[in-house]
Amino acid sequence: DSGVTQTPKHLITATGQRVTLRCSPRSGDLSVYWYQQSLDQGLQFLIQYYNGEERAKGNILERFSAQQFPDLHSELNLSSLELGDSALYFCASSFGLAKTEQFFGPGTRLTVL
Amino acid sequence: SQQGEEDPQALSIQEGENATMNCSYKTSINNLQWYRQNSGRGLVHLILIRSNEREKHSGRLRVTLDTSKKSSSLLITASRAADTASYFCATAGGETSGSRLTFGEGTQLTVNP
Repeated sequence: DSGVTQTPKHLITATGQRVTLRCSPRSGDLSVYWYQQSLDQGLQFLIQYYNGEERAKGNILERFSAQQFPDLHSELNLSSLELGDSALYFCASSFGLAKTEQFFGPGTRLTVL
Repeated sequence: SQQGEEDPQALSIQEGENATMNCSYKTSINNLQWYRQNSGRGLVHLILIRSNEREKHSGRLRVTLDTSKKSSSLLITASRAADTASYFCATAGGETSGSRLTFGEGTQLTVNP
């Protein structure tokens, strides 16, 4: 158990819908990262937050947004969902901004029908 | 796009044998990390090796890094059936790339009892 929690574990929804994925980092960690894992794209970095502020952006679609709250939990919002958004979404956390180990949550499996 | 390529894509061995997986990457790095993923589950951090290190050990794991060849290898000694999983290398890059991780495509290891 990495100490990173993600909810829900599974999400099934329809095209055009909007969903919210939630992540709680390990106790004491200030950085939260979101990654997407799909069969065709592999594991890709989406976005990073540090202590409530956006720090880095990867190949995140404009239909996706995220935020980190004062209690350090983070949410990833996916809107206007398409079939191709079906994937495993992982949250990871680390203590600071330094390039250290990232600890991953169990993921949310999103299925868009 | 993926930073690294892992080789082989799939590896099948008998329990007790050693397993070697290789990873190549393209740009300069700060560190390289190896993760394990059991089918459809979260990623478990195995080991981190910094760009100024050449070899690191952790239990039955041995990681080497050759920055001149931009490659790394992960050796699992005396493998067990429980080592069956996908193994990913991930790089944390230079100053401009922040602390995001860029993942390879992974090696699927099967250890037969």
